[in-house]
Amino acid sequence: AQTVTQSQPEMSVQEAETVTLSCTYDTSESDYYLFWYKQPPSRQMILVIRQEAYKQQNATENRFSVNFQKAAKSFSLKISDSQLGDAAMYFCAYRRAPGANSKLTFGKGITLSVRP
Amino acid sequence: DVKVTQSSRYLVKRTGEKVFLECVQDMDHENMFWYRQDPGLGLRLIYFSYDVKMKEKGDIPEGYSVSREKKERFSLILESASTNQTSMYLCASSFGGRSEQYFGPGTRLTVT
Repeated sequence: AQTVTQSQPEMSVQEAETVTLSCTYDTSESDYYLFWYKQPPSRQMILVIRQEAYKQQNATENRFSVNFQKAAKSFSLKISDSQLGDAAMYFCAYRRAPGANSKLTFGKGITLSVRP
Repeated sequence: DVKVTQSSRYLVKRTGEKVFLECVQDMDHENMFWYRQDPGLGLRLIYFSYDVKMKEKGDIPEGYSVSREKKERFSLILESASTNQTSMYLCASSFGGRSEQYFGPGTRLTVT
């Protein structure tokens, strides 16, 4: 079974600084997707970034980027120029591919606070 | 934009009551999911559905059932609510095998 591990329950970053959130996963599959989701205090979960395992290039979305190390089964999220609105709980998630009904496996999440 | 709505943001029920949580999505998504979220445990999948009238058990289906009579609506049913079902319940939907999941705002259920 696939597992996703987020070992740090909480992190804090100064506004405008850079922070990296760690995630490791375990799978025997070669084709899969990885995601980072953000859940602000209002509770609506939104997708931050996704990475296909077959792509060697790390995904980026504006201030958010990932460091995908397939051999090490590591998928960290880097937030540059942190803003107060980045304060939220962040979840790393894995999904086997392909398959329309393949489910997401989530890590336990990390709470990020941003200091003004 | 994709919109996933849930019938209630907060719900308080008594032990033994039958509870219905409703989820509706407006983007013709095939797949729909129900999760519960508890502190320190992350999100755990209860049930999912990849087509009308189809359902599959997730990781923690015990004590729950689901219904999907129409493509846009996916209901979670607690046949006899218990205090250990007090939790945040999140609904999600997705289109096909490559799409990410879109989440609703969640229902905070308290069973007393």
